[in-house]
Amino acid sequence: AQSVTQLDSHVSVSEGTPVLLRCNYSSSYSPSLFWYVQHPNKGLQLLLKYTSAATLVKGINGFEAEFKKSETSFHLTKPSAHMSDAAEYFCVVSEAQAGTALIFGKGTTLSVSS
Amino acid sequence: DTGVSQDPRHKITKRGQNVTFRCDPISEHNRLYWYRQTLGQGPEFLTYFQNEAQLEKSRLLSDRFSAERPKGSFSTLEIQRTEQGDSAMYLCASSIPRDGINEQFFGPGTRLTVL
Repeated sequence: AQSVTQLDSHVSVSEGTPVLLRCNYSSSYSPSLFWYVQHPNKGLQLLLKYTSAATLVKGINGFEAEFKKSETSFHLTKPSAHMSDAAEYFCVVSEAQAGTALIFGKGTTLSVSS
Repeated sequence: DTGVSQDPRHKITKRGQNVTFRCDPISEHNRLYWYRQTLGQGPEFLTYFQNEAQLEKSRLLSDRFSAERPKGSFSTLEIQRTEQGDSAMYLCASSIPRDGINEQFFGPGTRLTVL
């Protein structure tokens, strides 16, 4: 069965410092992995996706994530946080062979202070 | 705006009443999904349509819940005899798989409060 564990429920950083949001996954097959962001009162927006083409994936707004099969991890990073990055972030796994549902982690709240 | 739209955005109802939500997907997308998100949790899958056929249901979808997509375009999600535990954000998403990738695009959600 597939599952996602987001290791931190809340991460706080200062503006201009690096961001690291941690995610581990469990999957029986080769998974597709995603990071979504949810700003207050707004819909879920796709940040980036991994689909076995390249292990280092670049997304929007300067975010990137690295797929590490040996560690079953897909951590999200950004070199320099901006105030507008404050939001809820979800790590998501999907397996084509297991159906089409996305399996979401519980989310990590990112706070950015000035 | 050509994104996924949902109506209403907010719904307050009394326990025992029926409610119905609507989702309009991105026009060329053949797949449509419903998810439920409770406070402090990630979205959980409820059900999925390919065109007008409902192909998958989660065990979360009790008998009080029914979803339809009659013409393969918009979809409705009805909850009968609402309970306080049904209070949540109901999210709709749509997709059209390309090159083996099934990227889902989400609507803004309908927030249901059951009093």
